[in-house]
Amino acid sequence: NAGVTQTPKFQVLKTGQSMTLQCAQDMNHEYMSWYRQDPGMGLRLIHYSVGAGITDQGEVPNGYNVSRSTTEDFPLRLLSAAPSQTSVYFCASSSSGSGSWEQYFGPGTRLTVT
Amino acid sequence: GIQVEQSPPDLILQEGANSTLRCNFSDSVNNLQWFHQNPWGQLINLFYIPSGTKQNGRLSATTVATERYSLLYISSSQTTDSGVYFCAVERSGGTSYGKLTFGQGTILTVHP
Repeated sequence: NAGVTQTPKFQVLKTGQSMTLQCAQDMNHEYMSWYRQDPGMGLRLIHYSVGAGITDQGEVPNGYNVSRSTTEDFPLRLLSAAPSQTSVYFCASSSSGSGSWEQYFGPGTRLTVT
Repeated sequence: GIQVEQSPPDLILQEGANSTLRCNFSDSVNNLQWFHQNPWGQLINLFYIPSGTKQNGRLSATTVATERYSLLYISSSQTTDSGVYFCAVERSGGTSYGKLTFGQGTILTVHP
């Protein structure tokens, strides 16, 4: 099992550019989430999904779009990058399969917007 | 939304020492997890513990849901325990288990 994978690891964008952060998991988890982590802070939820075709907003959704066409993939789209979106982005997945809702995280994508 | 407060914000230990990290939360929860973020940024799940006590090697955790706090115990600390420890919760009453609210974390430094 590769677990949760994210690409790219690093990205630099100019203000106004768009891009998609990729996230995939091979554990057949129904729940997937995107968080951002800013320096010295905990993680904040951007969007989450409870299954293919179902997504909802988290605490800080503005400027981001998501979709979930398959159980495995949950891409995060930045529509028009802004310097305030400079952050480290983490994708996570979880499942109720074993009665435990342990959340597993990907390695993160470090994004800089200039 | 639910508030999560972790203490202490920073902790410096000598190898071999024991420590207790605390997480207070402002509402009833159906999901509480402890994570360790290593110096390379990777987040590792330590415990899923919405109530009760669990142990895993030198680490153990206790959640007293009725009093809205959780404790993470680290015994015989090692330099590899260094990093940031996060508590994350989800308020009861929701229908999903993927919407965690994180505390600010405790930065642990273990010196040899």
